[in-house]
Formats: sequence, structure tokens, C-alpha cells
Amino acid sequence: EVQLVESGGGLVQPGRSLRLSCTGSGFTFGDYGMGWFRQAPGKGLEWVGFIRSKDFGGTTEYAASVKGRFTISRDDSKSVAYLQMNSLKTDDTGVYYCTRPRVFWWFDFWGQGTLVSVSS
Amino acid sequence: QSVLTQPPSVSAAPGQKVTISCSGSSSNIGNNFVSWYQQLPGTAPKLLIYENNERPSEIPDRFSGSKSGTSTTLGITGLQTGDEADYYCGTWDSGLSTVVFGGGTKLTV
Repeated sequence: EVQLVESGGGLVQPGRSLRLSCTGSGFTFGDYGMGWFRQAPGKGLEWVGFIRSKDFGGTTEYAASVKGRFTISRDDSKSVAYLQMNSLKTDDTGVYYCTRPRVFWWFDFWGQGTLVSVSS
Repeated sequence: QSVLTQPPSVSAAPGQKVTISCSGSSSNIGNNFVSWYQQLPGTAPKLLIYENNERPSEIPDRFSGSKSGTSTTLGITGLQTGDEADYYCGTWDSGLSTVVFGGGTKLTV
């Protein structure tokens, strides 16, 4: 059974940093890209970014709203994807979901989400 | 302001059929595959439809997807109260080089 489990959320002050982790199980983690979405309170889903598998260069893509502040990386030996969030803003508050993207930009598995609150 | 446009809400009675529309442009829906997701209250999104009209094996055939030009539609037949959720469409935008989603549609049964 495929499972994605996020961790690392919490309360952080504006301007500070936070790193989220996504641990995958039930599949060969290194064979897949990994992605992140977020959802502000009472709002819709917003794509954050993704990282390709090593076979496809391990390159990353980001939404304009987080480019330059957020970085996605992966450690296939641990089956973990990371979302490093720097220079956090109050607008970054929300639930962050880890997902598994497929070839034509659909996402077949989602984690349960982790809440990030950016507030002074 | 979402790149893909969905109605904020739709409603129908139990047992009836409902459709949820999602419109975009040639840079997204018009030239890329579309997927649909269901988000039950307080839970993570779940894949319903991929590649315009394909269903994961665990999704009942009450759910269907179709695409025409720069618009796509999710259909749900035999509505159940358990179908009350937010529904999102999503695709790749070749012009923006990003994944884009609709703002979501709240279904009331």
C-alpha cells in the first residue's frame, strides 16, 4: 500500500524558515517524482512545486509564488522528500500536502497534510 | 484568481446526476490531460479522474470525465450524501510552465 506521511509543520514567525519532510512507503521511492501542494484556510488547492526522479535529472519546478524562497530536495536512500521554506510570509500559512505526480501531471497519492502557521 | 474556472457550488438531490464544469485555455486544458480530485471535509484530496476520462480502479463508474476543446466536465450519477465534498480540476499549463488547478466546486447533495 502506497503511503505518504508529512512531518515538520508548526508555528513559525514571519521571515523564519521551516523544513517539511515527506516519507514514502509501499513503492520504489526513487522511481518517482515527488510534489507538494498547499491549501490556505478555507481556500482551494495551490501547487507548490515538484522534483523529478534521478532518472529524469532530479530537477525541480516551482510555482511563481514560492520560487526563490522554497527548495525541494530528496534523499532516495531514506525515501524522503523535503520542502525547505525560507523567508516565510503570513500568506504561506496552510496545510501542506505531499503528492506523487505521474507523467501527465496527475497526482495519484496524497499525504494527510501538515499544518504550517506563519504568525508573529 | 485561479487559471482554471469552476463554479463555486452545485447541488442536486440524492440519486440524481450532476455535472461540474472546468474551463481554461489552449495553453492548459486545450493541449494537456486533465485530472479531477475529490476532497471530503477535513481530509486530503483523492484522485477521481486522470488523463481526461480514466478512473483509478477503486473509483466507481458513477464518476466520469470528459473534455472538449478548452473545457472539461466531471459527471457524477446516482448521487449519495457521501459525495458531498469539494471537487477540483487540474492540468499543466504549457505557457506558465506550472501545474494549475481550478478554485474548487462545493457539491451539496
